[in-house]
Amino acid sequence: DAMVIQNPRYQVTQFGKPVTLSCSQTLNHNVMYWYQQKSSQAPKLLFHYYDKDFNNEADTPDNFQSRRPNTSFCFLDIRSPGLGDAAMYLCATSREGQGPNQPQHFGDGTRLSIL
Amino acid sequence: QKEVEQNSGPLSVPEGAIASLNCTYSDRGSQSFFWYRQYSGKSPELIMFIYSNGDKEDGRFTAQLNKASQYVSLLIRDSQPSDSATYLCAVNFRGSNYKLTFGKGTLLTVNP
Repeated sequence: DAMVIQNPRYQVTQFGKPVTLSCSQTLNHNVMYWYQQKSSQAPKLLFHYYDKDFNNEADTPDNFQSRRPNTSFCFLDIRSPGLGDAAMYLCATSREGQGPNQPQHFGDGTRLSIL
Repeated sequence: QKEVEQNSGPLSVPEGAIASLNCTYSDRGSQSFFWYRQYSGKSPELIMFIYSNGDKEDGRFTAQLNKASQYVSLLIRDSQPSDSATYLCAVNFRGSNYKLTFGKGTLLTVNP
């Protein structure tokens, strides 16, 4: 089945130690998103790629970076994780172009814990 | 300010009843509206989307959109305990291209 896959499902890292989360998709969607979601809060968009074009949200800390080497893969890099970065990180994809915007499809998420 | 408002709940309904979840949004020019279900500790799962005023039905789910009043609702008929989850409303605001703004969600509990 076509899907969005995130790895790992759970990630534990130390304070200040860089970490990379990955996302892959078989839907061939042109847009990939990264969200951060904390308990009982709405998913917060960090940034997204439209094809190869990177779009950062204004309030996303510089500590968060992303790479999209090809259509299928996208990575979230946290350069120096702080305790406040502990959250669920969600990758989503959609196919956008002409017409109304399409539903976003989410992966299972990566739960990040900071020691 | 682009805002999506939902009652956080919990909304409790007995099994077999109709659950009604509501969402209001701040921009009348918004075009696309989505409902997601999120089980505790899991990722959001698309339930329905709606673009035009009126009702859209899919199985036990009905989405209702009223752009003039700036609200969108989700009705769940014959509610089951497995429907117990947080329901997120997401809106594509005018000028946001394809980005979505999510509400904080309404926690629904269906009691057997």
